[in-house]
This record gives sequence, C-alpha cells and structure tokens, in this order.
Amino acid sequence: DADVTQTPRNRITKTGKRIMLECSQTKGHDRMYWYRQDPGLGLRLIYYSFDVKDINKGEISDGYSVSRQAQAKFSLSLESAIPNQTALYFCATSGVGTDNEQFFGPGTRLTVL
Amino acid sequence: RKEVEQDPGPFNVPEGATVAFNCTYSNSASQSFFWYRQDCRKEPKLLMSVYSSGNEDGRFTAQLNRASQYISLLIRDSKLSDSATYLCVVPPRDSSYKLIFGSGTRLLVRP
Repeated sequence: DADVTQTPRNRITKTGKRIMLECSQTKGHDRMYWYRQDPGLGLRLIYYSFDVKDINKGEISDGYSVSRQAQAKFSLSLESAIPNQTALYFCATSGVGTDNEQFFGPGTRLTVL
Repeated sequence: RKEVEQDPGPFNVPEGATVAFNCTYSNSASQSFFWYRQDCRKEPKLLMSVYSSGNEDGRFTAQLNRASQYISLLIRDSKLSDSATYLCVVPPRDSSYKLIFGSGTRLLVRP
C-alpha cells in the first residue's frame, strides 16, 4: 500500500464550488505539505504543517485553506473554486531523520470549469 | 534572481549518451541540495542528495560548486528509462524544512 495517499485522484468542478482534497500518510511523519504544479512553473508551496497544532502559509495560499485533522491527515480546501486553480496538486510529508527528503502522494488533477 | 533556476530543456539525447544539467541557486547559505525525478503525470521522487562537494550513485553524479552557486547532475550511459523531468531542490532562506523546487529540466532519451 502507498505511504502517502490522496483523494480524489481526478476532479472536475465548476467555478464557485467548494472542493476538498484529502491526504493521508502512514509514514508517521509530523510534517505535511500541499503543493500545486503548473506547466513551466514547477511546484509551489500552498500550505505546510509541522505538527497537528501548526499551520503555515506557503507562497501561494490565497484562495486555499487547510485542516490538519490528525498527524496522518492533512486536507486542502478551495472555498470557491476558480478556473486558475486548475492544476495538479500534491501532498507531501517529511520527518525527523529523513534529511529533509519529502515523500509525495500520487497527486490530484483538478479542473475548474 | 529566482531562488532556483533550471534550463527547462528538453534535452534530447541518444541511448548511451552522457548528459548534464545545471541548476543555479541564490541562497549562498544553503547547505543541502537535492535532485528529484518526476515522470510524466507522476509524483516527484528523490534521486540524490548533495551535502558537500558531490555525490555519486551508479550512473548518476551530482556536483556542487558553492563559489558559483550551482549544482549539476551528470547522467552517464543514458537509458530510455531515464526519460523524465529532473527537479533541482534547495532549502529557502527562512527554513531548512521547506524546500524550493526548480521548474525542472526535461530529458528525452531516444533509441
């Protein structure tokens, strides 16, 4: 079984809808991250969390919110989706002793019409 | 200057060729660097870490030039399966636990 899972894997939605992307991990890591990837722009950090009580904005947090429900779960919400949020979204984790290596989920492809 | 810059490519090389990518970074205090590999529509995965002057793993060699603030990835004897996008990754100025990803260099290895 995959260590980092994301649901859904693909989602098509309409402008203005609320969307939640979920991430779960079985690696026992404290740190979790949400990124989006757009062609030519690479991975950009949306939010990150270093433990259950710690939530931090990344470089492009506007229009997004997150919830760290447990050590193993970190969800990303788009309160009112807009077309320029169409992207590939990745969740990642890292832990003490991993030398900063981040382990990624398989990604969620989101299309906002 | 962007924190991490890479040539997007694509680098189109025949099997067996040697190919090298460079990546420049702006944070002179960075101590650790990484190369991740990303296959099309898949998640990035760690390929190599670079902590000192360089690192070698089989056909792959990563080198660090602190004076010029760049790291390189050399792939010898290219295989078809090496076709992927290679992401250069460095820690940002304010934290060693977040990572800044370059936009990637695409490699195509042809038969």
